[in-house]
Amino acid sequence: EDQVTQSPEALRLQEGESSSLNCSYTVSGLRGLFWYRQDPGKGPEFLFTLYSAGEEKEKERLKATLTKKESFLHITAPKPEDSATYLCAVQASEGGSYIPTFGRGTSLIVHP
Amino acid sequence: NAGVTQTPKFRILKIGQSMTLQCTQDMNHNYMYWYRQDPGMGLKLIYYSVGAGITDKGEVPNGYNVSRSTTEDFPLRLELAAPSQTSVYFCASSYDAGAQVHNEQFFGPGTRLTVL
Repeated sequence: EDQVTQSPEALRLQEGESSSLNCSYTVSGLRGLFWYRQDPGKGPEFLFTLYSAGEEKEKERLKATLTKKESFLHITAPKPEDSATYLCAVQASEGGSYIPTFGRGTSLIVHP
Repeated sequence: NAGVTQTPKFRILKIGQSMTLQCTQDMNHNYMYWYRQDPGMGLKLIYYSVGAGITDKGEVPNGYNVSRSTTEDFPLRLELAAPSQTSVYFCASSYDAGAQVHNEQFFGPGTRLTVL
């Protein structure tokens, strides 16, 4: 069974204080790992897709990395507008349905 | 493109009532999904569809039904509503070309349902 674990559950940072969110996964063949951002009262919004170990992607203050067992979402010099819940989802290449499995998310609050 | 739209945005039901949550996408995506999200619990898959006329159960299908008569629409039916179905419901869609990489999911704004 595919499993996705995100840590920490919640994270409070001061503006400018860099940190990382973790997504550990167990899957039968990785087809893709997705990061989403979810603001309160809204649906998740796509950030990145990573396909193979060693891959990295960046967008503004966010950088996502991938190994064979986990992914990190690095937040550099965060701002209050980066406050949101960040969700990780993993898609397996085996099993046939290709339906992503989501983690429970990390709630990030950035204080000014 | 409007993307993924959901109606209604809010709804209060009494125990035992039924309702249909509507979901429409205009991106010609073949995959569509229904999730429920409870506080601190992430997204749980209720049902999904890989194309018109094809649906399958997800992790938590009990108490729900779906249909997919067109590419665009994927309604979720709640029969005999129970307090345990109080949640936020999200519809999503994506495009998968089989051998190619599966693209990201696009989510609707959600429907907040309360069953009293």
